[in-house]
Amino acid sequence: NAGVMQNPRHLVRRRGQEARLRCSPMKGHSHVYWYRQLPEEGLKFMVYLQKENIIDESGMPKERFSAEFPKEGPSILRIQQVVRGDSAAYFCASSPGTRAADTQYFGPGTRLTVL
Amino acid sequence: GDSVTQMEGPVTLSEEAFLTINCTYTATGYPSLFWYVQYPGEGLQLLLKATKADDKGSNKGFEATYRKETTSFHLEKGSVQVSDSAVYFCALSPYSSASKIIFGSGTRLSIRP
Repeated sequence: NAGVMQNPRHLVRRRGQEARLRCSPMKGHSHVYWYRQLPEEGLKFMVYLQKENIIDESGMPKERFSAEFPKEGPSILRIQQVVRGDSAAYFCASSPGTRAADTQYFGPGTRLTVL
Repeated sequence: GDSVTQMEGPVTLSEEAFLTINCTYTATGYPSLFWYVQYPGEGLQLLLKATKADDKGSNKGFEATYRKETTSFHLEKGSVQVSDSAVYFCALSPYSSASKIIFGSGTRLSIRP
């Protein structure tokens, strides 16, 4: 059973470009979460999605960031008009549900560098 | 709001030493508690968890006990190995919102042979 897949693993963008990060959850998991890790810091929750629905986006910046989890295909985190402060590692996690016993499994992350 | 405070690093120990990484939390209700480990260049792996008071999570020789009276979830290992070198994150999942995990800032552990 493959784990959570993320691609690309490394992404370099110039200021003002768009960044698209993809996440394929584990088989059988319908809940996806995105987290951001700034250098030397812990992870910060961004958004929680189920298929075709955003459930909790309380950690998403109000502008330039969006996320989706379509009926078919991976979840996408999109960052428009990137700035240097967006440079970070972005981790996706998935779970089969949201009960206390349902563990979130993390992908290897996408490391975004904005030049 | 809910938060996690963990021992600042870096922590450097000799192989076979005893390890304790302190973690305390602030939360309403009964959160679930976790320790995650991050090896260099990789994502996070769940090390252990506890979902109610007095539960003890254990894995790979690591242990942590959910102490509600002291709001703590300290990580311990009796004899560390070089391969345990990594960053360790204490985390909680709030009772009111099991969908998100709140992480501490991480403790970098280095084990010298």
